[in-house]
Amino acid sequence: NAGVTQTPKFQVLKTGQSMTLQCAQDMNHEYMSWYRQDPGMGLRLIHYSVGAGITDQGEVPNGYNVSRSTTEDFPLRLLSAAPSQTSVYFCASSETGTRWLFGSGTQLSVL
Amino acid sequence: DQQVKQNSPSLSVQEGRISILNCDYTNSMFDYFLWYKKYPAEGPTFLISISSIKDKNEDGRFTVFLNKSAKHLSLHIVPSQPGDSAVYFCAASRYGQNFVFGPGTRLSVLP
Repeated sequence: NAGVTQTPKFQVLKTGQSMTLQCAQDMNHEYMSWYRQDPGMGLRLIHYSVGAGITDQGEVPNGYNVSRSTTEDFPLRLLSAAPSQTSVYFCASSETGTRWLFGSGTQLSVL
Repeated sequence: DQQVKQNSPSLSVQEGRISILNCDYTNSMFDYFLWYKKYPAEGPTFLISISSIKDKNEDGRFTVFLNKSAKHLSLHIVPSQPGDSAVYFCAASRYGQNFVFGPGTRLSVLP
């Protein structure tokens, strides 16, 4: 089924650990982005990409890295996890950058 | 300071009646707006959009109204159905890029 696939769905980390959240789409969308959702704060943009090889920072980029080596994949790396990064993470893709298709999310807990 | 506000965290409506969800924004440069619906354990799904050149957009039971002078938009759902029970996010952008999301309103439609 076409769509945005995020893995894993759940993850528990210890403070200081690193990990990569995976995101893949099979719709040949140029635009991809990562958001985090925290209670009472809606979704906040972490990083985004307008095409392979092109990434830029969003509203809350600190502590996260991204790369876009292919059109299909847009992984999000946590370099040294902190409790403040406990959140639900959503990856999204878009053909035009206006209407976004979201993945089902990754729930991350940092202890 | 939040640029997009949804001041009602929750709303309950009887089935068959109208649901009105409100959204206010502070940045007068925003010119493209979206509403997303989110069910638990799923990613947000696109509902309806409106550009600042319009003041109304309809799609079936869903209508979005935009009042640029008041920096206010609202989503009307008529008639409301139990399947509409979800969290609704308003999002705003300039040129349809890098959307800023509101904190969401949880709608409960009671049978």
